[in-house]
Amino acid sequence: QSALTQPASVSGSPGQSITISCVGTNSDIGAYNYVSWYQHHPGKAPKVIIYELSNRPSGVSNRFSGAKSGNTASLTISGLQAEDEATYFCSSYTTSRTLFFGTGTTVTVL
Amino acid sequence: QEQLVESGGGLVKPGGSLRLSCAASGLNFADYYMGWVRQAPGKGLECISYISGPSDYTNYADSVKGRLTVSRDNAKNALYLQMNSLRVEDTAVYFCARFAAAGTWLDYWGRGTQVTVSS
Repeated sequence: QSALTQPASVSGSPGQSITISCVGTNSDIGAYNYVSWYQHHPGKAPKVIIYELSNRPSGVSNRFSGAKSGNTASLTISGLQAEDEATYFCSSYTTSRTLFFGTGTTVTVL
Repeated sequence: QEQLVESGGGLVKPGGSLRLSCAASGLNFADYYMGWVRQAPGKGLECISYISGPSDYTNYADSVKGRLTVSRDNAKNALYLQMNSLRVEDTAVYFCARFAAAGTWLDYWGRGTQVTVSS
């Protein structure tokens, strides 16, 4: 079972923009626009922040945006805030009718 | 308020069994696919199993096939994961989650329950 590849950590100063990459294959990210992103604070339930590549659920800040190029998806957080410190996971629906997740990226606000 | 609450985790010896439960409240449970996702220490998330609303379709990751069984009771708004022949590598936090209507992402998650397999 393969995972999608994310950088282990990304950091930025308050107000800056950061981008997290998520690298997959032709069988997952490259096959569909079914990429989602989840924010996870330790001890809490993960929360979806982007679904179907670039859609935000109701209540999620428009500082979060998603995109894709080929087999690589990306999440951009603009106007970084202290509350954005968390671990972020990407996910993609696959041609095997399951979900693959990324390895996770810890975001640190300096 | 929409909520998923997992229970049943704990410490078990290799080869042992556990049954995880997930109680749903405040959300439509019966009409949606439900799944179990785990996170092993220092690792990413892994979707290990899911089940359709009427329980007529199930799916398992190769890593757990034949050892774990997912089930649900829509009358009780409950999801279950029967875990047999547990291995050290099954040590993880286990989350239950609801699939969105499209079935391609997870819209609600629980906080997870810790399963530790160790002698």
